[in-house]
Amino acid sequence: EIVMTQSPGTLSVSPGDRATLSCRASQSISSNLAWYQQKPGQPPRLLIYGASTRATGIPARFSGSGSGTEFTLTISSLQSEDFAVYYCQQYNKWPSLTFGGGTKVEIK
Amino acid sequence: QVQLQQSGPGLVKPSQTLSLTCVISGDSVTSNSAAWNWIRQSPSRGLEWLGRTYYRSKWYNDYAVSVKSRIAINPDTSKNQFSLQLNSVTPEDTAVYYCAREAGQVFGYWGQGTLVTVSS
Repeated sequence: EIVMTQSPGTLSVSPGDRATLSCRASQSISSNLAWYQQKPGQPPRLLIYGASTRATGIPARFSGSGSGTEFTLTISSLQSEDFAVYYCQQYNKWPSLTFGGGTKVEIK
Repeated sequence: QVQLQQSGPGLVKPSQTLSLTCVISGDSVTSNSAAWNWIRQSPSRGLEWLGRTYYRSKWYNDYAVSVKSRIAINPDTSKNQFSLQLNSVTPEDTAVYYCAREAGQVFGYWGQGTLVTVSS
């Protein structure tokens, strides 16, 4: 099983600041990585797939990068609605796909 | 616009069967470009993919190794829905269960979630 490790566990950021979230895979997954945002009481929402392609309707302030084992989600200027938990998910080895443990982005 | 509406009991007794249904609107369970998944989320296990069903000229299923011996995901073409059955549940199966539509190997649409508690 491919283990996805996200860091940090919690990120405290001020509105308008930049947030950088990391996701590491235990083995190479090429660019087969997605990012999701989850708010309390809601299901996850797809943000990024293919490591760097924004899903439909996702604002340009969200960007993804990386390949192989190291990936980054950047939120360029945090808005109030961006405070949430973010998950990465690998899909390099279907049907054995796995999620990271999440990074909570909270207001500083 | 694809919408997924889940239903099913929120409380299941240990050793019994957990059963949930996901009704699809805006797409078809027989789509040749989508797959229909169940995912659960708990504080102890995080987000855990359970399995999927999909149609590519015939029906296929894939299941997570962790639940393979006691899970079934079945389509119902007459009602455009799919279901989850998880047998022999224990308290460790307590979680929020989601159905989700997969296309291109990622989950673009999710159901609203159902909290299922396993307790006597």
